[in-house]
Amino acid sequence: EVQLVESGGGLIQPGGSLRLSCAVSGFSVSHNYVSWVRQAPGKGLEWVSVIYSGDRTYYADSVKGRFIISRENSKNTLYLQMNDLRVEDTAVYYCARDLMGMIDFWGQGTLVTVSS
Amino acid sequence: EFVLTQSPGTLSLSPGERATLSCRASQSVSSSYLAWYQQKPGQAPRLLIYGASSRATGIPDRFSGSGSGTDFTLTISRLEPEDFAVYYCQQYGSTTQYTFGQGTKLEIK
Repeated sequence: EVQLVESGGGLIQPGGSLRLSCAVSGFSVSHNYVSWVRQAPGKGLEWVSVIYSGDRTYYADSVKGRFIISRENSKNTLYLQMNDLRVEDTAVYYCARDLMGMIDFWGQGTLVTVSS
Repeated sequence: EFVLTQSPGTLSLSPGERATLSCRASQSVSSSYLAWYQQKPGQAPRLLIYGASSRATGIPDRFSGSGSGTDFTLTISRLEPEDFAVYYCQQYGSTTQYTFGQGTKLEIK
């Protein structure tokens, strides 16, 4: 059974940093694409980043240069390092299995609130 | 910038009726790399349709997708009470940037 469990969200001040984790079971993060998608309160979905099985990474323009996606194969875990956080980064962050773009399994999400 | 525009913003229908949701792209979607998702309050999205017209595993056949190029449609043939939710389209033809539409809320009339 595929499961993705996010953690690491919370309240952080603007300009701060936070690292999200996503523990995966049921598939290998090293052999699959895995993405982060976020959803601001009451708003729609926004794709954030993807890491390919071959280690290539891509980012939405809104987070490029501030966020870093990575994975730890031995723990089958995905990460999102978020730096220089802004109020507009406030959202529920989902990790998800990405089948070359279409997202077939999602975690339950973790809430990040950026506020002073 | 790749933009997906969904219409209508809100659709009010009754159970048993047919729902037609539209997704229009600002440029052609490569190889019909267009997906549809359903999201209910407090839940993660669920994949319904991929490749513009293929149903994901376990999705009832009352859900169907069609279209190509810049115009795509999600049709729900006969609405069940559990179908009232928000629906998003997504393009993934540009593999370096994915784009979601702003969503259509399907509500009970």
